[in-house]
Amino acid sequence: DQQVKQNSPSLSVQEGRISILNCDYTNSMFDYFLWYKKYPAEGPTFLISISSIKDKNEDGRFTVFLNKSAKHLSLHIVPSQPGDSAVYFCAAPLTSGTYKYIFGTGTRLKVLA
Amino acid sequence: DAGITQSPRYKITETGRQVTLMCHQTWSHSYMFWYRQDLGHGLRLIYYSAAADITDKGEVPDGYVVSRSKTENFPLTLESATRSQTSVYFCASSRGTVKNIQYFGAGTRLSVL
Repeated sequence: DQQVKQNSPSLSVQEGRISILNCDYTNSMFDYFLWYKKYPAEGPTFLISISSIKDKNEDGRFTVFLNKSAKHLSLHIVPSQPGDSAVYFCAAPLTSGTYKYIFGTGTRLKVLA
Repeated sequence: DAGITQSPRYKITETGRQVTLMCHQTWSHSYMFWYRQDLGHGLRLIYYSAAADITDKGEVPDGYVVSRSKTENFPLTLESATRSQTSVYFCASSRGTVKNIQYFGAGTRLSVL
């Protein structure tokens, strides 16, 4: 049973436009969420996170929104750049304070020049 | 160069052989993790370690063995490789802070023939 779901395996966006990547979760006990970015032949790298006490966290061109009632989070990239083309994973600690992450299946973003 | 390194980067082996994947980090992070990445499954935790000589199972531990005699090393052994263990394996480490950020190695692509 996937506790963290990314239902869109891929997304294509024009350079300069907004990219929106979505993630749904089933466990209402999750209290912290992270996004990782992965380029081919490299390991994932941390991008941005959000605590469940917030509904938004922003870092430069990247903003993560959390809707707890819908058990949904989204990552917005504005403006999108070709260098943003990568696979994006959302993740959550399995239980509060644990270091065991549950990852989504990833969304491959392609930003077209 | 400081960081987390995995070796080998690529490995081809045969069914039934024993294989060890190496992971070394120079940050003195307490926590270390092994994941496998497969299409349609994202990243799944195999084993993790909270400190030297302390290890615990993740989601998919069957067929794998780990050890952690030194803080900086966390080898993963496939005792008798099977084709279903063909995957990309990632090692990660974490300070264990509140943000729970994990830092990943570049991965080992393993093919079991």
